[in-house]
Amino acid sequence: GESVGLHLPTLSVQEGDNSIINCAYSNSASDYFIWYKQESGKGPQFIIDIRSNMDKRQGQRVTVLLNKTVKHLSLQIAATQPGDSAVYFCAENRAGATNKLIFGTGTLLAVQP
Amino acid sequence: DGGITQSPKYLFRKEGQNVTLSCEQNLNHDAMYWYRQDPGQGLRLIYYSQIVNDFQKGDIAEGYSVSREKKESFPLTVTSAQKNPTAFYLCASSTSGRVFLNEQFFGPGTRLTVL
Repeated sequence: GESVGLHLPTLSVQEGDNSIINCAYSNSASDYFIWYKQESGKGPQFIIDIRSNMDKRQGQRVTVLLNKTVKHLSLQIAATQPGDSAVYFCAENRAGATNKLIFGTGTLLAVQP
Repeated sequence: DGGITQSPKYLFRKEGQNVTLSCEQNLNHDAMYWYRQDPGQGLRLIYYSQIVNDFQKGDIAEGYSVSREKKESFPLTVTSAQKNPTAFYLCASSTSGRVFLNEQFFGPGTRLTVL
């Protein structure tokens, strides 16, 4: 069935390096995407979003890239810090399903000091 | 502080018992949601409500029930009909039911364990 998934379940990086977390989506009708961060035992927190009419969006230390040709989404974290250690989820909103998000399975980012 | 609260943080239930999870928000949001999170899986939508006294089934509503009698409250009951209720339950709210540009704010979650 249609789903949002992640390529890497676990990503380990050194403190100070850049991190790239990837996400594939299968529904070409999706028009809005969100990245969430979830720390252990807590609820997800919004990081950044992007509309399908954009290829790139930047926030503070984070950048989201959207490649609609291959239905791929990535989250780049610059100068990764220990506080970035968490599970990161991508979520998609399908055009027409205005009140539902489909979540990916998540990638665990482990930052090594 | 404005936000979403869920209680209790940890909940244990015997098989065959119903249990109700609390979700309260003081953000004045119209829409509220319940998700279930299992290890290795993404969040799955159980129920959502776009306005008081109205709610719709999500993708995995079987064995669950909800009510929305007040704008700030959206309790979830896990009934004995739910075959595998052990999970982490997350409540969320947003300004309106439209996902687009209406960020969903999540509560801290309730971990339910069936003994």
